[in-house]
Amino acid sequence: GNSVTQMEGPVTLSEEAFLTINCTYTATGYPSLFWYVQYPGEGLQLLLKATKADDKGSNKGFEATYRKETTSFHLEKGSVQVSDSAVYFCALSDLLGGYQKVTFGIGTKLQVIP
Amino acid sequence: DSGVTQTPKHLITATGQRVTLRCSPRSGDLSVYWYQQSLDQGLQFLIQYYNGEERAKGNILERFSAQQFPDLHSELNLSSLELGDSALYFCASSLGSGVQETQYFGPGTRLLVL
Repeated sequence: GNSVTQMEGPVTLSEEAFLTINCTYTATGYPSLFWYVQYPGEGLQLLLKATKADDKGSNKGFEATYRKETTSFHLEKGSVQVSDSAVYFCALSDLLGGYQKVTFGIGTKLQVIP
Repeated sequence: DSGVTQTPKHLITATGQRVTLRCSPRSGDLSVYWYQQSLDQGLQFLIQYYNGEERAKGNILERFSAQQFPDLHSELNLSSLELGDSALYFCASSLGSGVQETQYFGPGTRLLVL
């Protein structure tokens, strides 16, 4: 079956540091890939997505490129802010019986300190 | 605000009891998903409905059931509650059920079983 593996946290960075959160996946079809973010006390919300190989998703300074050859979708940001402190989930969307099935990674907690 | 509403926000109950969680999807969305988030299990997919019909089942216990009504709101019923059922329960919705669909999450219901 499909699976998503992302680095375990927590990740602690100083403000303005470079961020990378690794995500790799296994899938049998042609999945779409997502990064969702969960701020404290809130539900998940879409951060960015990519729907085919070599696509780059970007939003709020975050980027991730769909790499089919390495089955990866690593999340990067050049300069993190305290407000980026949250839990980040990598997710894979594929078809199961004709309907969307989303598989989430375990989530990586990011803490940015001033 | 994702447009997905969940009630109640918090629920405290005793072991052996039964509770009902309610979800209203975004206007126009036909798919509803239920997830359980706990510290030790991460984000677990429970069940999906599309336009009133069950479409996919994940790690949903037999003590749990759900349904989607003609007005597209959904309810998740949890019975014979155990301490281990304490968790955050999220509802998400999407327009359809395609691979590229973004899921929009509600704020969650925090269930505490004492």
